[in-house]
Amino acid sequence: AQSVTQLDSHVSVSEGTPVLLRCNYSSSYSPSLFWYVQHPNKGLQLLLKYTSAATLVKGINGFEAEFKKSETSFHLTKPSAHMSDAAEYFCVVSDWGTGANNLFFGTGTRLTVIP
Amino acid sequence: ETGVTQSPTHLIKTRGQQVTLRCSSQSGHNTVSWYQQALGQGPQFIFQYYREEENGRGNFPPRFSGLQFPNYSSELNVNALELDDSALYLCASSFPDRSGYGYTFGSGTRLTVV
Repeated sequence: AQSVTQLDSHVSVSEGTPVLLRCNYSSSYSPSLFWYVQHPNKGLQLLLKYTSAATLVKGINGFEAEFKKSETSFHLTKPSAHMSDAAEYFCVVSDWGTGANNLFFGTGTRLTVIP
Repeated sequence: ETGVTQSPTHLIKTRGQQVTLRCSSQSGHNTVSWYQQALGQGPQFIFQYYREEENGRGNFPPRFSGLQFPNYSSELNVNALELDDSALYLCASSFPDRSGYGYTFGSGTRLTVV
């Protein structure tokens, strides 16, 4: 079965400093991995996805993530945090095991950006 | 291109009652998935509908049921509501592709059971 573990429930950074949100995955085969962002009272927005192409994936708003099979990790990074980045971030793995392409979400990391 | 619309945005129900949540899929999408997001948790897969048939189900009891209509909109029905059913219910429409890339999420319906 597929699963993801987000290693930090809350990350706090100063505006302009780098962001690192950590995610480890468990998969019996080559997974599809995603990062989604959820702003308060908003739907989930896709930041980026990995589907067995390039291991360094660039997403929207300056975010990127690197797929490391040896470490079973898919950490999300951004060189410089902006106030608008404050939100909940979810690491997600896609699974066809139930016959449907459904998404398994981590428990989320709340990012706080300090002015 | 329209997005995914969910209704209502908020509602309050009493334990034991029944509730119906609605979702209109994005134009061109024929698959709808429903997720439950409890407070402080990540969304959990309830079930998926493809061409009006249930096409996969997560670990939820039968009192969670759904429908998909010919226009690909969908309903989530929950019978015999329990306090633990209080959550944000998210709908996502997509194409049934293996990458999982084509999901569009609605803003959700926040259900409170008292």
